Amino acid sequence: GAGVSQTPSNKVTEKGKYVELRCDPISGHTALYWYRQSLGQGPEFLIYFQGTGAADDSGLPNDRFFAVRPEGSVSTLKIQRTERGDSAVYLCASSLTVGGWKDTQYFGPGTRLTVL
Amino acid sequence: DQQVKQNSPSLSVQEGRISILNCDYTNSMFDYFLWYKKYPAEGPTFLISISSIKDKNEDGRFTVFLNKSAKHLSLHIVPSQPGDSAVYFCAASAGSGGSNYKLTFGKGTLLTVNP
Repeated sequence: GAGVSQTPSNKVTEKGKYVELRCDPISGHTALYWYRQSLGQGPEFLIYFQGTGAADDSGLPNDRFFAVRPEGSVSTLKIQRTERGDSAVYLCASSLTVGGWKDTQYFGPGTRLTVL
Repeated sequence: DQQVKQNSPSLSVQEGRISILNCDYTNSMFDYFLWYKKYPAEGPTFLISISSIKDKNEDGRFTVFLNKSAKHLSLHIVPSQPGDSAVYFCAASAGSGGSNYKLTFGKGTLLTVNP
């Protein structure tokens, strides 16, 4: 079956602009996650959705970052007033459930965001 | 402060030999550990995991060892193959703390297996 897909694969924007990054999870997966991977670092947790609601957004760096998942499937990560420090690969993952014993998170290929 | 540390940025081994990748952690609440493999331009792919109630888990050529007292885990690949060349990430989560969904990753180790 299809894995996690993310669009666009690359996004170049100018400082101060608004961007949206999209994630299509594996069909039937109720849990969805966003991570950010900066150069030379491992992925860092941003936010976790169970269904439509954001169950934990403690990893979002500030209020310029926001994510939604209105129908419990596709999710959009939104970044306002982008800064050069936002440049990173944004990874989305999904899992069948959460609460079961350690559901495996399956990652998409990521969106590489470059803020000029 | 890095809670999961992979102190070797890179490792090079010969095909057919053993690859040993190491990982240390500082958070005693971590009770579940995973290894992910990542090829360029792809997302991380789950490889193998281990719960803190075990000290070893094996899956084919891959074995993960956990030493809780030392807060150390390692991934052994035997025999190594050129297709194993990738970046390997160690990750951990704290299920008993109610945040088993939140993975904390190390910086990764680039493994190169030479033919």
